[in-house]
Parts: sequence; structure tokens; C-alpha cells
Amino acid sequence: AQSVTQPDIHITVSEGASLELRCNYSYGATPYLFWYVQSPGQGLQLLLKYFSGDTLVQGIKGFEAEFKRSQSSFNLRKPSVHWSDAAEYFCAVGARGSYDKVIFGPGTSLSVIP
Amino acid sequence: NAGVTQTPKFQVLKTGQSMTLQCAQDMNHEYMSWYRQDPGMGLRLIHYSVGAGITDQGEVPNGYNVSRSTTEDFPLRLLSAAPSQTSVYFCASSPGLAGGYEQYFGPGTRLTVT
Repeated sequence: AQSVTQPDIHITVSEGASLELRCNYSYGATPYLFWYVQSPGQGLQLLLKYFSGDTLVQGIKGFEAEFKRSQSSFNLRKPSVHWSDAAEYFCAVGARGSYDKVIFGPGTSLSVIP
Repeated sequence: NAGVTQTPKFQVLKTGQSMTLQCAQDMNHEYMSWYRQDPGMGLRLIHYSVGAGITDQGEVPNGYNVSRSTTEDFPLRLLSAAPSQTSVYFCASSPGLAGGYEQYFGPGTRLTVT
């Protein structure tokens, strides 16, 4: 069974600073990987996803993530954070062929200091 | 195109009461799911469906029932509410394997059981 961890429960960054949110997964084969964002009081929105191919994937709102098989990681990055990026971020891992096996991490809460 | 809609947005129940959370999608997705979100635990899968007439249990199914009579609708029934079911509930739909199990979420229902 797969699992996913997000080591940072809460991160605070200054507006304009760079951001990296960590995600580590456990899965025996190449997984599907996702990052979702949840603004306060809202549902989750997909930021980006990795299925196969290029290990650096671009998403919406200027986010990118890199799949590193050797480190079992899929870290989310943004070069310059905006105040509107303050939200909860969830990493998720899915198993190919198994819809019910999409597992979500516990989330990282991002605060942005103006 | 409304996407995934959920009603109600908020609900307070007394222990032992029953209710149905409504979920509908207009994207013709075959796959639908119900998750609950609790602090520090990410999202946990309650029940899911891979098509009309087909449902199955997820990670935390006890105390909940679902049915899928149409592609569009996927209601979640709480049979006899308990305080442990106080949570935020999200419905999601997915195009399935073709989309790598990418999920589209509704805005959520915040349920309090007293």
C-alpha cells in the first residue's frame, strides 16, 4: 500500500520569497502524483500532476514540482510567493489502475507575511 | 458548467439523527468519491463509485451509506449520527484512468454532531 508524508505542518514565508513544500511517498512502482491547494472554506483545486515523462511538471498559478524517483519525493516549488498563495497544500499519491488508492498527505499550511 | 456541487454547506445534527449529503456533477465523470477531512489527517476516503450502480467502501466507511443511481448524483447518507462524524465532507468526481485519477472537488459540507 502506498503512503504519503508532508514533513512540514506549517510554513511561513515573506511575500516575494521562494517556496518549497516537501512531499515524500512510499509506493512500489511509479505512482501518479498530485498537488492540490485548498483556500480557507473552499474545496481542493488541482495545482499540478505527474503521470510519466518529464519529471519537472508545471502547474497553475506559477507552481512547479519535480518528481525524484531516487528520493521518493515530489516537492512543490514557486520562485516568488504572493499573499494570495496562503492556503493549505496537499500532496497525493495514486496507484495506477486503482481509483480507490489515491492517498492524501496531512497537508502543509502556508502563511505569507506581507 | 457548475462542476461538482454539494448541499448543504453547513449542518448541525443531534446524536442519532440521520441525514443525506447531496452531491452532483455535470462533467459526465464515471468516478465519484466521498472524503472526510479532519485536522492533521488529510482526506480519508469514505465510499466511492466507478459508475452508475457500482459503489464500494473506502478507508472509513462505517456509519455511512451511498448509492449511485445516475452518473450525475452520488448522495452520502449518515444512518445514525455520532459526534465522531463531526467533520468536513467533500465530494469529488474524476474522469478516471484517462485523467490519471485527477479529481474535481465540491466546496464541502461542514457537519457538526452534538
